[in-house]
Amino acid sequence: KAGVTQTPRYLIKTRGQQVTLSCSPISGHRSVSWYQQTPGQGLQFLFEYFSETQRNKGNFPGRFSGRQFSNSRSEMNVSTLELGDSALYLCASSRDTTYEQYFGPGTRLTVT
Amino acid sequence: AQKVTQAQTEISVVEKEDVTLDCVYETRDTTYYLFWYKQPPSGELVFLIRRNSFDEQNEISGRYSWNFQKSTSSFNFTITASQVVDSAVYFCALSEARNYGGSQGNLIFGKGTKLSVKP
Repeated sequence: KAGVTQTPRYLIKTRGQQVTLSCSPISGHRSVSWYQQTPGQGLQFLFEYFSETQRNKGNFPGRFSGRQFSNSRSEMNVSTLELGDSALYLCASSRDTTYEQYFGPGTRLTVT
Repeated sequence: AQKVTQAQTEISVVEKEDVTLDCVYETRDTTYYLFWYKQPPSGELVFLIRRNSFDEQNEISGRYSWNFQKSTSSFNFTITASQVVDSAVYFCALSEARNYGGSQGNLIFGKGTKLSVKP
């Protein structure tokens, strides 16, 4: 069974630009969560989607948004990029919201 | 407020030594879940175990074992006879299911413990 896939794996953007990251969950998984990992703040929860609906949201500004499609694939968008948005963005999927999460390899975003 | 503390930032051992990674959590909920994840240098978080708050049984999986003690709010992880391939950052995480309608989608992670196993 294929694991969680994330595209792109690496991305370099300029401050002020926007970016869209994509996540394809494990087949059959309907819940997708997003996390940001930085050396200073560690792993922080961004949001969770289940059946195209956002269920939970972490403490991030409105520049961070996401969505989930009917095939459970998810995208997250960051607008007006700041230098502090440089991070590893991890996506995780689970069968539904009460099961353990399996993580993808992440997208490493660098903002210059 | 919920919190996960991994006091050991880095641990270095020699192959075949046993090593225990500590995890202490804080929560006001009676229903919660605890997790351990491994992050090798490749960056992908690998799921190791999930334990719910009503199940205090210790668990063993091969060289891995977990000791859950609600009385001390700890969920420690022991690797027996460590190997070089165990070198990674290990994260302990907490999810308060009740606050999110049963969802475990919001994982609260500790800062991680970097384990280096030398040959």
